[in-house]
This record gives sequence, structure tokens and C-alpha cells, in this order.
Amino acid sequence: LAKTTQPISMDSYEGQEVNITCSHNNIATNDYITWYQQFPSQGPRFIIQGYKTKVTNEVASLFIPADRKSSTLSLPRVSLSDTAVYYCLVGDRAGANNLFFGTGTRLTVIP
Amino acid sequence: DTGVSQDPRHKITKRGQNVTFRCDPISEHNRLYWYRQTLGQGPEFLTYFQNEAQLEKSRLLSDRFSAERPKGSFSTLEIQRTEQGDSAMYLCASSPLKAGGGTEAFFGQGTRLTVV
Repeated sequence: LAKTTQPISMDSYEGQEVNITCSHNNIATNDYITWYQQFPSQGPRFIIQGYKTKVTNEVASLFIPADRKSSTLSLPRVSLSDTAVYYCLVGDRAGANNLFFGTGTRLTVIP
Repeated sequence: DTGVSQDPRHKITKRGQNVTFRCDPISEHNRLYWYRQTLGQGPEFLTYFQNEAQLEKSRLLSDRFSAERPKGSFSTLEIQRTEQGDSAMYLCASSPLKAGGGTEAFFGQGTRLTVV
């Protein structure tokens, strides 16, 4: 099982870029890296997923170095509505990538 | 609404009673997951199905918990002889089966259980 480690919390001012790094030293060859966002009293919501290098969508970018032992979620120009908990997941077998959440990173955006 | 639906949204029960929750996944999704989440913690994996087959079950799940997905569509999670420690948000998620791995899960709004 590839365990993930993230900072417990982060603060950022509105309009800044936020980078949240996740360590996954035991990532396996078939594992994908997935990030979810969760607001209070709601289920997690998928943000982005990648295998290697860089992935970008309308919400975020995901940077994965060549050794894949870490990944960085980048949120451009955050707003107050980005205040949430962000989870990094690494699948422990091909296809079943959504099993194990850690404690996540609580991001607080300050006006 | 074509998202994941959970019922009920809230449940209050007395200790020792049995409760059952229902999850309706997105219709074309083969995989269905159950999680439990307590305040300040990330979702804790309970079990997951691929179609009607229960492929994995957490070792932390006691024998009082059972889940079914009889026809590979909706799923139920039953907790027998509830205890106060069972109070939590129970989340269901579904995802499509994607060749080669890598797929996103869609979560429901959850069922909040309070055992008094």
C-alpha cells in the first residue's frame, strides 16, 4: 500500500497561487495519483489525476517528477471558495485508485 | 439528477438497533465504494464492489457491518447492533471501470448517522 504524506494545513491569501505537495515514496508502477477536494458536510469531489509529468485542467495543475515519489497540486489564484480539505490518493493496484484517503491538507484562504 | 444518490441523508437511532443505508450509483458505473468519515478525519475505506462482486473489505470492518450490491446496481450497507462509535458520515462513491487504470470516483452527499 502506497502511503501518502501531506501537510496538515496551509493558509493563503486570495489571489495567490497555492502549491500542496504530497509524498508517496512507495508508489507502484501501476499507480495513478489522484487529488480530491472536500467541503464540510459534502462528499469529496475529484480535482485532477495524473501518472507522470504534468497534467492541467480548468481547475488545477498536477506536477509529478520523474521518480513519481511526490506530486504537487497547484491551484492558481485561489479565492475564498477554495477553502476546503484537499486529499492526495495513490492507487494500490491498477484500476482501483480510489480506496485510501489520508487526513488531507486543510487549506484556508484569507481575504 | 444523474449523480450518486444516498438515502437517507440523516439517521438517528438508538444504540443496539439495526440500520440500513442505500446508495444508487451513476448508472453506467461498475465500481461502488463505501466509506465512513468522522469529524476531522479523511474518509475511511470500508468496502468496494465491482458490479455485484465485493472485491475488498477493510480489516477494520467488524462483523456487524455488511454490504450488498445484488444486481450490480444499487447497494445497501447494514449496521447491526449499532454502537455510539458508529456515529459518522457514511459516504458512497462510484466510478467507471477504465482499462489501464486511472479513474475518478463520484461521491454522494452521504448519510449522517447518529447513535444515541
